[in-house]
Amino acid sequence: GAGVSQTPSNKVTEKGKYVELRCDPISGHTALYWYRQSLGQGPEFLIYFQGTGAADDSGLPNDRFFAVRPEGSVSTLKIQRTERGDSAVYLCASSFTSQGTEAFFGQGTRLTVV
Amino acid sequence: GENVEQHPSTLSVQEGDSAVIKCTYSDSASNYFPWYKQELGKRPQLIIDIRSNVGEKKDQRIAVTLNKTAKHFSLHITETQPEDSAVYFCAASKGGNKLVFGAGTILRVKS
Repeated sequence: GAGVSQTPSNKVTEKGKYVELRCDPISGHTALYWYRQSLGQGPEFLIYFQGTGAADDSGLPNDRFFAVRPEGSVSTLKIQRTERGDSAVYLCASSFTSQGTEAFFGQGTRLTVV
Repeated sequence: GENVEQHPSTLSVQEGDSAVIKCTYSDSASNYFPWYKQELGKRPQLIIDIRSNVGEKKDQRIAVTLNKTAKHFSLHITETQPEDSAVYFCAASKGGNKLVFGAGTILRVKS
Protein backbone atom coordinates (compact mmCIF):
# COMPACT_ATOMS: atom_id res chain seq x y z
CA GLY A 1 0.00 0.00 0.00
CA ALA A 2 0.93 3.63 -0.16
CA GLY A 3 1.27 4.18 3.56
CA VAL A 4 1.14 2.61 7.01
CA SER A 5 -2.23 1.01 7.55
CA GLN A 6 -3.78 0.37 10.96
CA THR A 7 -6.91 -1.63 11.74
CA PRO A 8 -9.36 -1.18 13.22
CA SER A 9 -9.60 2.60 13.12
CA ASN A 10 -11.81 2.54 16.20
CA LYS A 11 -12.25 -0.08 18.89
CA VAL A 12 -14.59 0.05 21.85
CA THR A 13 -14.14 -2.71 24.41
CA GLU A 14 -15.29 -3.49 27.90
CA LYS A 15 -12.94 -3.28 30.85
CA GLY A 16 -11.18 -6.60 31.36
CA LYS A 17 -11.40 -7.73 27.73
CA TYR A 18 -8.51 -8.59 25.42
CA VAL A 19 -7.83 -6.55 22.27
CA GLU A 20 -5.54 -6.81 19.27
CA LEU A 21 -4.48 -3.86 17.15
CA ARG A 22 -2.92 -4.45 13.75
CA CYS A 23 -0.30 -2.49 11.83
CA ASP A 24 0.68 -2.97 8.17
CA PRO A 25 3.90 -1.04 7.57
CA ILE A 26 5.12 0.35 4.27
CA SER A 27 6.49 -2.50 2.16
CA GLY A 28 10.22 -2.92 2.62
CA HIS A 29 10.43 -0.99 5.86
CA THR A 30 12.45 -2.99 8.36
CA ALA A 31 11.81 -0.85 11.43
CA LEU A 32 8.38 -0.65 13.05
CA TYR A 33 7.34 1.39 16.08
CA TRP A 34 4.29 1.51 18.31
CA TYR A 35 3.34 4.72 20.11
CA ARG A 36 0.41 5.68 22.31
CA GLN A 37 -1.14 9.15 22.19
CA SER A 38 -3.45 10.37 24.92
CA LEU A 39 -5.69 13.37 24.37
CA GLY A 40 -3.73 16.61 24.29
CA GLN A 41 -0.36 14.88 24.51
CA GLY A 42 2.44 13.91 22.21
CA PRO A 43 2.91 10.30 21.16
CA GLU A 44 4.65 8.13 23.77
CA PHE A 45 7.00 5.34 22.67
CA LEU A 46 5.93 1.78 23.47
CA ILE A 47 8.04 -0.70 21.49
CA TYR A 48 10.27 -0.92 18.42
CA PHE A 49 10.95 -3.84 16.08
CA GLN A 50 13.91 -4.28 13.79
CA GLY A 51 12.85 -7.09 11.51
CA THR A 52 11.08 -9.77 13.53
CA GLY A 53 12.66 -9.05 16.89
CA ALA A 54 11.67 -6.49 19.48
CA ALA A 55 14.78 -4.31 19.65
CA ASP A 56 13.44 -2.15 22.46
CA ASP A 57 10.29 -2.73 24.50
CA SER A 58 11.17 -0.31 27.28
CA GLY A 59 8.05 1.79 26.72
CA LEU A 60 5.50 -0.95 27.36
CA PRO A 61 3.71 0.17 30.54
CA ASN A 62 3.24 -3.29 32.09
CA ASP A 63 3.00 -6.97 31.27
CA ARG A 64 -0.57 -6.64 29.99
CA PHE A 65 0.91 -5.19 26.82
CA PHE A 66 2.66 -7.37 24.26
CA ALA A 67 3.52 -6.99 20.59
CA VAL A 68 4.66 -9.34 17.86
CA ARG A 69 5.96 -9.10 14.33
CA PRO A 70 6.43 -12.76 13.33
CA GLU A 71 7.37 -12.33 9.69
CA GLY A 72 9.03 -8.96 9.86
CA SER A 73 6.13 -7.12 8.26
CA VAL A 74 2.70 -6.91 9.93
CA SER A 75 2.70 -6.27 13.66
CA THR A 76 0.03 -6.84 16.28
CA LEU A 77 -0.18 -5.02 19.59
CA LYS A 78 -2.01 -7.10 22.17
CA ILE A 79 -3.53 -5.76 25.36
CA GLN A 80 -4.84 -8.13 28.01
CA ARG A 81 -7.32 -7.31 30.77
CA THR A 82 -7.91 -3.82 29.40
CA GLU A 83 -8.36 -0.95 31.84
CA ARG A 84 -10.04 2.43 31.32
CA GLY A 85 -6.61 4.06 31.51
CA ASP A 86 -5.60 2.19 28.34
CA SER A 87 -7.98 4.38 26.34
CA ALA A 88 -5.89 6.32 23.81
CA VAL A 89 -4.94 6.45 20.15
CA TYR A 90 -2.38 3.77 19.35
CA LEU A 91 -0.10 4.84 16.53
CA CYS A 92 2.16 2.67 14.43
CA ALA A 93 5.10 4.01 12.42
CA SER A 94 7.59 2.42 10.08
CA SER A 95 10.88 3.46 8.54
CA PHE A 96 13.18 1.96 5.92
CA THR A 97 15.92 1.49 8.47
CA SER A 98 16.17 2.19 12.18
CA GLN A 99 18.63 5.05 11.76
CA GLY A 100 18.68 8.05 9.51
CA THR A 101 15.42 7.55 7.66
CA GLU A 102 12.02 9.17 8.09
CA ALA A 103 9.34 7.50 10.21
CA PHE A 104 5.91 7.38 8.57
CA PHE A 105 2.92 7.14 10.86
CA GLY A 106 -0.38 5.36 10.39
CA GLN A 107 -3.73 6.97 11.15
CA GLY A 108 -3.91 5.17 14.46
CA THR A 109 -6.44 3.02 16.28
CA ARG A 110 -8.62 4.87 18.76
CA LEU A 111 -9.15 2.48 21.67
CA THR A 112 -11.91 3.21 24.14
CA VAL A 113 -12.28 1.02 27.21
CA VAL A 114 -15.68 1.35 28.87
CA GLY B 1 15.83 9.38 30.25
CA GLU B 2 15.16 12.11 27.74
CA ASN B 3 12.62 14.82 28.52
CA VAL B 4 11.34 17.25 25.89
CA GLU B 5 9.49 20.42 26.82
CA GLN B 6 7.60 22.47 24.25
CA HIS B 7 6.28 26.02 24.34
CA PRO B 8 3.86 27.60 23.84
CA SER B 9 0.99 25.16 24.19
CA THR B 10 -1.20 27.34 21.97
CA LEU B 11 -0.26 30.03 19.48
CA SER B 12 -2.54 32.30 17.48
CA VAL B 13 -1.13 34.39 14.65
CA GLN B 14 -2.57 36.52 11.89
CA GLU B 15 -2.25 35.16 8.37
CA GLY B 16 1.04 36.30 6.90
CA ASP B 17 2.78 36.65 10.25
CA SER B 18 5.54 34.36 11.50
CA ALA B 19 5.17 31.64 14.13
CA VAL B 20 7.90 30.30 16.39
CA ILE B 21 7.68 27.19 18.55
CA LYS B 22 10.45 26.30 20.98
CA CYS B 23 11.58 23.02 22.52
CA THR B 24 14.20 22.06 25.05
CA TYR B 25 15.66 18.62 25.65
CA SER B 26 17.57 17.14 28.55
CA ASP B 27 19.78 14.37 27.15
CA SER B 28 22.96 15.71 25.57
CA ALA B 29 23.31 12.39 23.67
CA SER B 30 20.22 13.22 21.57
CA ASN B 31 21.23 14.05 18.03
CA TYR B 32 18.09 13.90 15.89
CA PHE B 33 15.28 16.45 16.16
CA PRO B 34 12.23 16.08 13.91
CA TRP B 35 9.10 18.22 13.81
CA TYR B 36 5.70 16.71 13.08
CA LYS B 37 2.45 18.36 12.03
CA GLN B 38 -0.80 16.69 13.04
CA GLU B 39 -4.15 17.88 11.74
CA LEU B 40 -7.27 16.99 13.68
CA GLY B 41 -7.96 13.27 13.51
CA LYS B 42 -5.04 12.63 11.17
CA ARG B 43 -1.65 11.04 11.40
CA PRO B 44 1.49 12.95 12.43
CA GLN B 45 3.53 13.95 9.37
CA LEU B 46 7.17 14.91 9.33
CA ILE B 47 7.65 18.48 8.11
CA ILE B 48 11.32 19.05 8.80
CA ASP B 49 14.14 17.56 10.84
CA ILE B 50 17.65 18.47 11.90
CA ARG B 51 20.64 16.51 13.10
CA SER B 52 23.12 17.72 15.65
CA ASN B 53 25.90 18.35 13.16
CA VAL B 54 23.84 21.19 11.66
CA GLY B 55 22.76 24.46 13.28
CA GLU B 56 19.97 25.46 10.92
CA LYS B 57 17.91 23.95 8.13
CA LYS B 58 15.36 25.59 5.89
CA ASP B 59 12.66 24.27 3.57
CA GLN B 60 10.63 26.99 1.86
CA ARG B 61 8.59 28.72 4.59
CA ILE B 62 9.77 26.41 7.35
CA ALA B 63 13.08 26.51 9.20
CA VAL B 64 14.51 24.80 12.24
CA THR B 65 17.39 26.00 14.39
CA LEU B 66 19.37 23.97 16.91
CA ASN B 67 21.50 25.17 19.82
CA LYS B 68 23.33 22.12 21.16
CA THR B 69 25.01 24.00 23.97
CA ALA B 70 21.72 25.25 25.38
CA LYS B 71 19.90 22.06 24.38
CA HIS B 72 17.08 23.80 22.59
CA PHE B 73 15.67 23.85 19.08
CA SER B 74 12.99 25.93 17.42
CA LEU B 75 10.56 25.76 14.51
CA HIS B 76 10.01 28.91 12.48
CA ILE B 77 7.12 29.26 10.02
CA THR B 78 7.08 32.42 7.92
CA GLU B 79 4.18 33.89 5.92
CA THR B 80 1.70 31.69 7.74
CA GLN B 81 -1.39 30.50 5.91
CA PRO B 82 -4.70 29.10 7.24
CA GLU B 83 -3.65 25.60 6.15
CA ASP B 84 -0.74 25.81 8.59
CA SER B 85 -3.29 25.52 11.42
CA ALA B 86 -2.61 22.22 13.19
CA VAL B 87 -0.85 20.73 16.21
CA TYR B 88 2.92 20.74 15.93
CA PHE B 89 5.13 18.33 17.88
CA CYS B 90 8.85 18.47 18.39
CA ALA B 91 10.76 15.31 19.22
CA ALA B 92 14.26 14.15 20.08
CA SER B 93 16.14 10.88 19.72
CA LYS B 94 19.64 9.42 19.71
CA GLY B 95 19.58 9.06 15.94
CA GLY B 96 16.76 6.64 15.31
CA ASN B 97 12.99 6.83 15.38
CA LYS B 98 12.55 5.91 19.03
CA LEU B 99 11.32 9.45 19.59
CA VAL B 100 10.54 11.41 22.74
CA PHE B 101 7.86 13.95 21.86
CA GLY B 102 6.96 17.29 23.34
CA ALA B 103 3.38 17.91 24.45
CA GLY B 104 2.49 19.80 21.27
CA THR B 105 1.59 23.32 20.19
CA ILE B 106 -1.83 24.17 18.77
CA LEU B 107 -1.22 26.73 16.03
CA ARG B 108 -4.17 28.79 14.82
CA VAL B 109 -3.70 31.04 11.81
CA LYS B 110 -6.44 33.63 11.60
CA SER B 111 -7.42 34.93 8.19
